[in-house]
Amino acid sequence: GESVGLHLPTLSVQEGDNSIINCAYSNSASDYFIWYKQESGKGPQFIIDIRSNMDKRQGQRVTVLLNKTVKHLSLQIAATQPGDSAVYFCAETFNTGFQKLVFGTGTRLLVSP
Amino acid sequence: ETGVTQTPRHLVMGMTNKKSLKCEQHLGHNAMYWYKQSAKKPLELMFVYNFKEQTENNSVPSRFSPECPNSSHLFLHLHTLQPEDSALYLCASSQGSGNTIYFGEGSWLTVV
Repeated sequence: GESVGLHLPTLSVQEGDNSIINCAYSNSASDYFIWYKQESGKGPQFIIDIRSNMDKRQGQRVTVLLNKTVKHLSLQIAATQPGDSAVYFCAETFNTGFQKLVFGTGTRLLVSP
Repeated sequence: ETGVTQTPRHLVMGMTNKKSLKCEQHLGHNAMYWYKQSAKKPLELMFVYNFKEQTENNSVPSRFSPECPNSSHLFLHLHTLQPEDSALYLCASSQGSGNTIYFGEGSWLTVV
């Protein structure tokens, strides 16, 4: 299900480590950002989102940080588990009356036991 | 289970065939989308339907023809495709703007 064939940046971590996945977005007018996880053979799965009026949002084991000054988004995963192995995409959009998401190319996270 | 169901999950078709991909969402959303994910590019938006009306056609070739009979169902009709159209086709839905898009599991299409 992931972008097979693309040369994706890869982050390799040990189980239990904290992971940080980074994303540079392109449109300074974007006001809503989403992180998706895509496991092999599956569609993208929503992880966490953040609006442009915030700079940090926490979920269960995940935190998203937004730096609008440098147009940078990061996803932090605490105590990474083998089940977290997947391709992670950031997506950006701005209010157009519907969601016109623009996706990054993705980062492959490999978690070793 | 994401609430967005796509069929078939896998499809192999010849370049002269006509086939259709189907998507159904059980989330009560009003917007539905087709995305293409291929081996050489990031996820690409193809079409957007908002309250059954097409609001976006992202320069998609006419051999791809979408149909949205109601807010819960979306089709992608395929005709005389090319091998480079082989990809994962993802359907998604959302409740208006400013809300999360939820994806289906995708339909893997191979054109031979």
